[in-house]
Amino acid sequence: AQSVTQLGSHVSVSEGALVLLRCNYSSSVPPYLFWYVQYPNQGLQLLLKYTSAATLVKGINGFEAEFKKSETSFHLTKPSAHMSDAAEYFCAVSVGGGADGLTFGKGTHLIIQP
Amino acid sequence: DAGITQSPRHKVTETGTPVTLRCHQTENHRYMYWYRQDPGHGLRLIHYSYGVKDTDKGEVSDGYSVSRSKTEDFLLTLESATSSQTSVYFCAISEGGQGYGYTFGSGTRLTVV
Repeated sequence: AQSVTQLGSHVSVSEGALVLLRCNYSSSVPPYLFWYVQYPNQGLQLLLKYTSAATLVKGINGFEAEFKKSETSFHLTKPSAHMSDAAEYFCAVSVGGGADGLTFGKGTHLIIQP
Repeated sequence: DAGITQSPRHKVTETGTPVTLRCHQTENHRYMYWYRQDPGHGLRLIHYSYGVKDTDKGEVSDGYSVSRSKTEDFLLTLESATSSQTSVYFCAISEGGQGYGYTFGSGTRLTVV
């Protein structure tokens, strides 16, 4: 079975600083990986996804993530944090096609300090 | 989110009563999912459907049942609500196959008192 581990339930960065949210996965087959963002009292919005094409994936709002098979990682980064980036971020993995759905990490709450 | 709606958005119910949540999609996607979101647990899969009348259990299915009589509707029923089922419930849809995105509804906040 697949699993996802997000390191750090809370991450705090200053506005303008680098954002780094860590995600490691476990899967016996090549995975598809996703990052979702959730703003307060809203549903989940897809930030970006890795589907075995380019290992560096660019998403919305200036975020990107790099798939590293040797490290089983899919960390999310943004060069310069903005106050509007404050939200909950979820990493997720899919290995079984549509039937199995997504397996999510427990989430990382990103706090932006002014 | 466009193409997927959940109802109701909020509900308060008493312990022991049955509750049904509805997910409706206009995208004609094959796969539909119910997740619950709880602090410290992320999102956990309750049940999913891979076609009309085709459903299966997820990670946390005890106490829940589902039905899908039409492509567009996926119902989640709490047979006898308990306080441990107080949660935010999300429906998601997918065209299917690895790599396809999953689109989420706006959620239903359920409180069992």
